[in-house]
Amino acid sequence: EVQLVESGGGLVQPGRSLRLSCTGSGFTFGDYTMSWVRQAPGKGLEWVGLIRSKAYGGTTEYAASVKGRFTISRDDSRSIAYLQMNSLQTEDTAVYFCTKDLLFHDAFDIWGQGTMVTVSS
Amino acid sequence: EIVLTQSPATLSLSPGERATLSCRASQSVGSYLAWYQQKPGQAPRLLMYDASKRATGVPARFSGSGSGTDFTLTISSLEPEDFAVYYCQQRSIWPPFTFGQGTKLEIK
Repeated sequence: EVQLVESGGGLVQPGRSLRLSCTGSGFTFGDYTMSWVRQAPGKGLEWVGLIRSKAYGGTTEYAASVKGRFTISRDDSRSIAYLQMNSLQTEDTAVYFCTKDLLFHDAFDIWGQGTMVTVSS
Repeated sequence: EIVLTQSPATLSLSPGERATLSCRASQSVGSYLAWYQQKPGQAPRLLMYDASKRATGVPARFSGSGSGTDFTLTISSLEPEDFAVYYCQQRSIWPPFTFGQGTKLEIK
C-alpha cells in the first residue's frame, strides 16, 4: 500500500523552529516530487512548497508566505521528506499534509494524514 | 498568482440528485486542473486530474470538464458518502500551486 506518514507536529512558541517529517512507503520515494500543503483550522488548503526528485535536480519551490523561513529537504535512502520551519508565526498554525505527485501528471495523488502545528505563546 | 473561484460556496442537495460544482480561474490554466474531496478530519483525496481524468478508484459518477478558465465537477447521482468539501487546484502557472476556496456539498 502506498502511504505517507507525517510526524513532528506540536505546540511551539512564536519565533521558534520545528521540523516535520514525511515518511513514504509502498513506492519508489526517490522518483517523485514531494510537496507540503497546509490547512489552517476551519480554512481551505494552501500549498507550502515542493522538492523535486533528484532526476529533476532535487530543487525546491516555496509559497511566498513561507519563502526564506521554511526549507524542504529529502533523504531518499530513508524515504523521508522534511519541512524545516523557522521563525514560526501564529498564522503558521495549521495541519500540515505531505503529498506525492501523480507521476507525469500535475496532481497530488497520495496525501498523508497530516500533523498539527500550533504556534502560540 | 492565479486565483481560483469556486461556486457555489455551499450546495444543498439530496441523495440521488445531480451535483454541479464550478471552478473559475483568473487566467487560463489549460487543462492543468485537479479536483479533491475532503471529509471532516481526513486528508483530501484526489478525484480528477488534467481536468477530466478520474483518479484510480474514483467512481464513474464523478466527471470533470472544462479547459482554459472554466471547469466543472459533476456528480451524476449523489451517494451519502459524497457529501464533503470539494477543492479545485491549478498547476499551470506556478509557484504557487493555488487552490479554490472550496465548495461544501451538504445534505438537504
